[in-house]
Amino acid sequence: NAGVTQTPKFQVLKTGQSMTLQCAQDMNHEYMSWYRQDPGMGLRLIHYSVGAGITDQGEVPNGYNVSRSTTEDFPLRLLSAAPSQTSVYFCASSSLVGTGNTIYFGEGSWLTVV
Amino acid sequence: KQEVTQIPAALSVPEGENLVLNCSFTDSAIYNLQWFRQDPGKGLTSLLLIQSSQREQTSGRLNASLDKSSGRSTLYIAASQPGDSATYLCGIYQGAQKLVFGQGTRLTINP
Repeated sequence: NAGVTQTPKFQVLKTGQSMTLQCAQDMNHEYMSWYRQDPGMGLRLIHYSVGAGITDQGEVPNGYNVSRSTTEDFPLRLLSAAPSQTSVYFCASSSLVGTGNTIYFGEGSWLTVV
Repeated sequence: KQEVTQIPAALSVPEGENLVLNCSFTDSAIYNLQWFRQDPGKGLTSLLLIQSSQREQTSGRLNASLDKSSGRSTLYIAASQPGDSATYLCGIYQGAQKLVFGQGTRLTINP
């Protein structure tokens, strides 16, 4: 059982380039989300999804796009990278059935924009 | 807007000591509260979840409490071990799954 898998682990981008961070889960979870973690800021929610075809914005969505075409995958797209998007990105998933469900995080993707 | 604060930002204690990590939040209308552990270069691991109607949860040497009226939660670690060294994060659920995090407390247990 792989859990939540994120790729790539590390990436360096030039300002203005685009890229996609991949996230996949094999637990048939309805809920998936992306967070970014910056020093002194904790984790902040970027976008989330409650099922295939349904996405919504979190606290810091500007500069990022998401889509959810399957239950398993939730990619995060940076359309035109900026140095302010240098951060560690975490994908998470959980079930929406019942209450008190465990949320599972990926190992993170370290992104540097130069 | 919910704001979550964890103090201190860093804590260093000798092995074997009991310790308390603090989490405070500004809006008492919370859904659930979760404590996480994060090891360097890794993702977050769920520790204890306290549902809104509960006051505490225990797992092994860990005990988490919740006082919504005062906007506080504590994570108590008994008989600390070097393997407990990590960053501990408090997360408040806004709705079923959306989390608002504190900045974390970096804990070092010295052998």
